[in-house]
Formats: sequence, structure tokens, C-alpha cells
Amino acid sequence: GAVVSQHPSRVICKSGTSVKIECRSLDFQATTMFWYRQFPKQSLMLMATSNEGSKATYEQGVEKDKFLINHASLTLSTLTVTSAHPEDSSFYICSASLLWTGTGGYTFGSGTRLTVV
Amino acid sequence: AQTVTQSQPEMSVQEAETVTLSCTYDTSESDYYLFWYKQPPSRQMILVIRQEAYKQQNATENRFSVNFQKAAKSFSLKISDSQLGDAAMYFCAYRSDTGTASKLTFGTGTRLQVTL
Repeated sequence: GAVVSQHPSRVICKSGTSVKIECRSLDFQATTMFWYRQFPKQSLMLMATSNEGSKATYEQGVEKDKFLINHASLTLSTLTVTSAHPEDSSFYICSASLLWTGTGGYTFGSGTRLTVV
Repeated sequence: AQTVTQSQPEMSVQEAETVTLSCTYDTSESDYYLFWYKQPPSRQMILVIRQEAYKQQNATENRFSVNFQKAAKSFSLKISDSQLGDAAMYFCAYRSDTGTASKLTFGTGTRLQVTL
């Protein structure tokens, strides 16, 4: 089946540094990737939608300069948290659209737990 | 904008029993998809079941089935013969049928406990 590989699974970084999270589609081309943030015991909140070769569309309230999304190829999308601060600590999940399969569905990465100290 | 509501923050079921998780949604669209996702402690999102709004027949996947009431905008999940491995967070989600960039809108989730 369609698999999205997300790395790293866990990362601890110092306040003020930047962290990059990668999502790779292993056996299909992901034209659209969605990036979510999930706080403990809460739901997934969409941060942005990225399409290969174009600028990402950010949800209201998400700082585009802080959460840089790049989708330069059909198999790789990255989220960079710039100048991270403790309040950016969260669980980040990517998801690729599988609409091309006719199922109307999505496949999710395994998530990245970011801790900013 | 579409909204998804899960009114049960937590549910508990005994092993081998049946439990129903509730979900309601609000939309003005006629064509859309509804999903139930499971998120175990590993936090990997796993698709449980999917329903296309144009289909009147309720979706079924082994022990999982839905009761889709389009007019009432209700989409409940029934888990039969509950197993310990069913313990997880369950999210109901909505997707418009408007193309490849169509995003998922999630409910707040229901934590399911399965007891012996």
C-alpha cells in the first residue's frame, strides 16, 4: 500500500534553533501533502497544505515564516520549524492525499514528537 | 466551513461486547466523504472505515460498521466483539469532494478503553 515515511520520529532541540521534518512517499507520487499539529490529548489541527512545485497554503493563525514548508519533488515534503521555542513543542504529522486511487483517502506519516528545551 | 463533533470524550467497553461511537457533522455540501481513524498509543493514524456520501449502504469492515444518516448528518461507528487492541483514540473526519487538495476536518476524538 501507499506509505509515507516521516523522520525523525523524535527530536529535541534547543530554543532558537531550527528543526526540519521530512516526509517521503515511498511507492507513489504525493502531489498534495498536508501538515498537522497535535497537542496532547487533542485532535489534529491542519497547519498547511502543500502542492508539489508551488507555495504552501497556510491555515489561519499559522505563521508561514515560522513553519516553512517545501514540496520540491513529488516524493518529498519538508516542514522546518524556524527559531523554535518551547511553545512549538508538539506532535507533527504529515499526510498525503490518495485521491488518485479513487478511494478518497489519505495515508499518514508516523509523526514527529518535537521537544524544544 | 464544515465542522465535526464527537460528543463522547471517553467510552469504555468490555472485551467481546459492542460499542458505538457518535459523530455528527455540519455541511452544506451534498458530495463528501466521511472517515473513522484510529490512533493507538503509537500515534500512527490508521484508517478504520470510509463512507461516500452518495452511497446509501452503510460501510462495513469486518467488526467495524457505520450508521450513516445523511439527513441527520450523523455518522456513528459500531465496534462489535471488542478486542483489547481496539483501545485507542478514534477520530471522525470529513472531506469535501472537491479535488486533490481537499483537506480532512477532524472531530475532537473519543478515547476508547477496552476492559477485561
